[in-house]
Parts: sequence; structure tokens; C-alpha cells
Amino acid sequence: ETGVTQTPRHLVMGMTNKKSLKCEQHLGHNAMYWYKQSAKKPLELMFVYNFKEQTENNSVPSRFSPECPNSSHLFLHLHTLQPEDSALYLCASSQESRTGNYGYTFGSGTRLTVV
Amino acid sequence: GENVEQHPSTLSVQEGDSAVIKCTYSDSASNYFPWYKQELGKGPQLIIDIRSNVGEKKDQRIAVTLNKTAKHFSLHITETQPEDSAVYFCAARGRSNYQLIWGAGTKLIIKP
Repeated sequence: ETGVTQTPRHLVMGMTNKKSLKCEQHLGHNAMYWYKQSAKKPLELMFVYNFKEQTENNSVPSRFSPECPNSSHLFLHLHTLQPEDSALYLCASSQESRTGNYGYTFGSGTRLTVV
Repeated sequence: GENVEQHPSTLSVQEGDSAVIKCTYSDSASNYFPWYKQELGKGPQLIIDIRSNVGEKKDQRIAVTLNKTAKHFSLHITETQPEDSAVYFCAARGRSNYQLIWGAGTKLIIKP
């Protein structure tokens, strides 16, 4: 496998369920991201992990909980979600340097529906 | 706060014609401007990018131009083909951190 792989591709969950999204990158990158993509809106950055340490949390509700056990794997744990959380959740990775990063590689996303 | 505006939201062009998508950014310190293409069922894919020290960059049928004074940049696709149909996103790297500020996307439709 190459690139960034996300599982599952589709997920339907009730508001009381607990589920997890998984992301794995095979590029040797040192930073990983979770984005939320809703229709006709800009991509919303949720979390950033740089060298396995969380460096950004853009005021995301606590019902979303990220985990980065190593530089290749990233999880997003979900619990007691709301219908408005239904969206495409994208994982991305990049190689960070002192001057920033110059290109993300995205996975294909998990289409989440909260019922 | 920092933002990127992208126009149009939908663009329909005849196959073989050119397509232009425009973005305007607010942070004058932005120095990196990538364009991503997202096909149905896939994540966005980087297609071209430009840094603030150049005004234009070209890669086969696609090109990006940057006007730092006016704070806008554009994607140009010539000789459009059916496989160019997708949603295109522009982005700019802001000053506050190394993360990207995204436009809302343009759905490009190539009519046969």
C-alpha cells in the first residue's frame, strides 16, 4: 500500500454510539492532519500532529478525540455525535520543515452519517 | 481572521476551451499557494503550487498566476478534457502557523 489510507470508507452511526476512524500513511511524513469537509464549505482543519505531538486543535468539540500512537498512524475517536457532524472526514500527511510544509497528501476520506 | 475567497463556485466550459478559477487571499504575509483537484470519491490531490517569489508557473495544460499586490492568484486550464471535471480548491499558507487557509471550492464541468 502506498500513500494515505483511511478506513472505513463509509460509516453510519447513531448518536449514542462510539466509533473510530483510522488513517495510515506510508510516505514517511512527520505530520498528520484531520480535516472535516462539508458541502460547499472550505475544508475545516480539526487536528494537527507534528512529530506525534498534537500542535493544533481548532476548537473542536470534545466528542471528537484524536490519537496518534506513532508517526504513521492517526485515529479519530467519535462518541455521542450530533447529526450536524455528518460529513466527509479527510486525513492528510505532509513533511514539515522549519519553513513549513509544501504539499499535503490526502486519503480518500470516511463518509460519516450520524442518525 | 485570515480567509481565502474562491470564484466561481461552479464553472461549465465546452471541451477544448479554457477554464479560469480565481482566488483572493487576505493575509499579505502568505507565501505559498497550492491548488488541489478532488475527483468524486477521492481526497484532494495537489496539482500545482506557486510560491510568492514567482509570478507564474506552468505544467503542461495547467498554469497558476500570482499577483501579490492585488493579493489574488488564478488557476488556468487550457484545452480542457472530460477528465478535468472535478472540484478544485485553492489555498494559501497564512502567517500564524504553517497550516493552509482553504477556498470553498469550484466545481468544474466539462461539456462534451
